[in-house]
Amino acid sequence: NAGVTQTPKFRVLKTGQSMTLLCAQDMNHEYMYWYRQDPGMGLRLIHYSVGEGTTAKGEVPDGYNVSRLKKQNFLLGLESAAPSQTSVYFCASSPTGNSNQPQHFGDGTRLSIL
Amino acid sequence: SQQGEEDPQALSIQEGENATMNCSYKTSINNLQWYRQNSGRGLVHLILIRSNEREKHSGRLRVTLDTSKKSSSLLITASRAADTASYFCATDVYSNSGYALNFGKGTSLLVTP
Repeated sequence: NAGVTQTPKFRVLKTGQSMTLLCAQDMNHEYMYWYRQDPGMGLRLIHYSVGEGTTAKGEVPDGYNVSRLKKQNFLLGLESAAPSQTSVYFCASSPTGNSNQPQHFGDGTRLSIL
Repeated sequence: SQQGEEDPQALSIQEGENATMNCSYKTSINNLQWYRQNSGRGLVHLILIRSNEREKHSGRLRVTLDTSKKSSSLLITASRAADTASYFCATDVYSNSGYALNFGKGTSLLVTP
């Protein structure tokens, strides 16, 4: 049982390049989330999805787009990467929208923008 | 904005000692969760406490919740080197779009042999 899998694990980009981070979960969870983690800032929610075909903005959505075309996948896109987007990105999922259920996290994607 | 704030930011203890971390939050909650993050890994759920609960135990973990003070504490008893990690509290946030978690900045725990 893989849980939540993020690809790639590491990536270095140049300013202005674009890329897509992939998150896949095999637990049939409805809710999926993208966070970024910066030193001293904890985790901040970028976007989330409450089900296939839906997305919603979190705390820091600017500069990112997301898509949830399939229930098991949640994609995070950077259209024009900026150095301020250097961070560790975590994907998470939860069974439903009930807050008495924990979120399950992947091991992160470490992204550097030069 | 971040809802939870952990205290202290860093904690260093020896094996066998107890470790206590505190979390304060700003608005009403339904549930509060604690997570652990080992270096270079994702977060792992430890324990959830509901707003109508005051204390909860899981193995060597004890969590308390005081909704009147909007605070929670995580106690790890008889710490081991393997407990070295960062610990985060998270509170639920609801909007028209659904439910999400607000995480604090974390407490970094170092347990030395």
